[in-house]
Amino acid sequence: AQTVTQSQPEMSVQEAETVTLSCTYDTSESNYYLFWYKQPPSRQMILVIRQEAYKQQNATENRFSVNFQKAAKSFSLKISDSQLGDTAMYFCAFRVANAGKSTFGDGTTLTVKP
Amino acid sequence: NAGVMQNPRHLVRRRGQEARLRCSPMKGHSHVYWYRQLPEEGLKFMVYLQKENIIDESGMPKERFSAEFPKEGPSILRIQQVVRGDSAAYFCASSGGTDSFAKNIQYFGAGTRLSVL
Repeated sequence: AQTVTQSQPEMSVQEAETVTLSCTYDTSESNYYLFWYKQPPSRQMILVIRQEAYKQQNATENRFSVNFQKAAKSFSLKISDSQLGDTAMYFCAFRVANAGKSTFGDGTTLTVKP
Repeated sequence: NAGVMQNPRHLVRRRGQEARLRCSPMKGHSHVYWYRQLPEEGLKFMVYLQKENIIDESGMPKERFSAEFPKEGPSILRIQQVVRGDSAAYFCASSGGTDSFAKNIQYFGAGTRLSVL
């Protein structure tokens, strides 16, 4: 069974600064996907960024980037130039390729302070 | 292109009543997943369906819960004889597409918040 661990229940950052959210996972699979989702107060789950395990290059989406360390089973999210609208809960998720379900961590609540 | 549509957004039921949650996947998607989120927790997988078939129901409680995804119409998550412990947010996700990468991305609806009185 796969597990996803987010060790930081809460974090805060000043507006315009950079913050990194941690995520580790455990699996014996070799072909899988990793995701970060954002859940603002509206509770909508928004896909922020995704990474295929077979790709060594770290994914980047505008101000969001990941540090994917496959051997260490680590998948951290870096948010640059933090904005007030980034305030939300962030979930790391794992999915075995073509297997169906995703496994989620318990989330990190991020607060961006003005 | 409309996203994943869930309704109702909020549902209030009294103990013992039935709750029916609906999910229409994104256009072109044929895979539907249901997740439950308890307060202050992450999403927990419940069931994975394709049209007219349940593929994986390993996360579904053995009693009172059922799901379907008929050939026509939305997917339905049904909870019979609800109890207070069923109060949670229920999210539906869908996936589809023709390439391997697209098939493995799940897009979520806005969720249904069920409150059991």
